Amino acid sequence: GEDVEQSLFLSVREGDSSVINCTYTDSSSTYLYWYKQEPGAGLQLLTYIFSNMDMKQDQRLTVLLNKKDKHLSLRIADTQTGDSAIYFCAESRDSSASKIIFGSGTRLSIRP
Amino acid sequence: GAVVSQHPSWVICKSGTSVKIECRSLDFQATTMFWYRQFPKQSLMLMATSNEGSKATYEQGVEKDKFLINHASLTLSTLTVTSAHPEDSSFYICSATPETGRRSSYEQYFGPGTRLTVT
Repeated sequence: GEDVEQSLFLSVREGDSSVINCTYTDSSSTYLYWYKQEPGAGLQLLTYIFSNMDMKQDQRLTVLLNKKDKHLSLRIADTQTGDSAIYFCAESRDSSASKIIFGSGTRLSIRP
Repeated sequence: GAVVSQHPSWVICKSGTSVKIECRSLDFQATTMFWYRQFPKQSLMLMATSNEGSKATYEQGVEKDKFLINHASLTLSTLTVTSAHPEDSSFYICSATPETGRRSSYEQYFGPGTRLTVT
């Protein structure tokens, strides 16, 4: 079946690293995504990783993929107040991204 | 590049009326557009997939006669909520995928969403 799970909340101190975790059940997932949604806004694609990759780094963002355990994580280094948002993990199976399955989203809050 | 707009951003309508929401890809041609629905503090649920010039494919449990989708051009898709009721109040988000053959065709670009409130 198709299922993507995330914890609902994460609170970190400004300047620390945030790690948001996600598990998925579909072993045929080909593309895995992290999206950011700020209040009242649409989704912004932060980064993505192909299933044949283990890690991808883009500035403050690091994505780790453990395909064996079907576990995906997003690490945000030096977390800032502007990082406060909901982060959605998502996966799709084919190259045309015809259907993306989203997790429930993790609400990241930053404390001073 | 890859900007998707939605109009209106917020609409309030009376129960029983119909509301049309537009989704436009501003700087690329989109072979496929998607419509999602998001309830407060919940994830996005795919409602339907529309391809230009053909009928939309609806997800299980979505009433196609209630949520009419038209994808008349490569840059415009519309969602019409017919005979809206308070339970249709939600945040509707569209996304678009660039035409196949482009490097980024596996990506979906999301619009800012339309908040529908039915009174």
